[in-house]
Amino acid sequence: EVQLVESGGGLVQPGGSLRLSCAASRFTFSTFAMSWVRQAPGKGLEWVSTVSDNDGSTYYADSVKGRFTISRDNSKSTLYLQMNSLRAEDTAVYYCAKEGPHYYDSSIYYTSRSFHIWGQGTLVTVSS
Amino acid sequence: DIQMTQSPSTLSASVGDRVTVTCRASQSISSWLAWYQQKPGKAPKLLIYKASNLETGVPSRFSGSGSGTEFTLTISSLQPDDFATYYCQQYNSYPYTFGQGTKLEIK
Repeated sequence: EVQLVESGGGLVQPGGSLRLSCAASRFTFSTFAMSWVRQAPGKGLEWVSTVSDNDGSTYYADSVKGRFTISRDNSKSTLYLQMNSLRAEDTAVYYCAKEGPHYYDSSIYYTSRSFHIWGQGTLVTVSS
Repeated sequence: DIQMTQSPSTLSASVGDRVTVTCRASQSISSWLAWYQQKPGKAPKLLIYKASNLETGVPSRFSGSGSGTEFTLTISSLQPDDFATYYCQQYNSYPYTFGQGTKLEIK
């Protein structure tokens, strides 16, 4: 079964840094775009960042641009999120997510850009 | 940025009811829309992708429709396991955006 396991969350002071990891297993990690999505306590889902599968292009929400960096190590099947200059409003559960699923349309094979598989999440608390 | 607006925010219904959740996009997203179900303390689960494609293993009582700016998620006959929060999400363009969620409660 495809699995994503996040780690690295915890309590950090405002202005501090944290690096999240997401270990992937049982699928060919390098062939899928990967993303981070967060959820503040009692709130809805917020897309944070995506790194593509092919050329490593990265995309960020305006709320984290310039402070967060997404990266991937295909040799270790691991996704990362380096979070700097953390603020109280970054407090949330952070989920990593794999794109998918695959589907056929007019005999052509595609990969959906929806968030197919999710990790269990890791809690980041920014507080003094 | 594309804004996604779900309605209603809360829906009270009974087991066996047919329910519909609506999601509107601020501009056309073609069919690049997904629906997720989330239960308290759990990660979201993909139900529907490309507006109407049912994810493998999701019960057939769930269905999605729409294109352009207006989409619906329908549950044909509510089961006890369906009481949860539902989110729509567009993946037509970055930044990807979610609706604010619809909490489905037991009446």
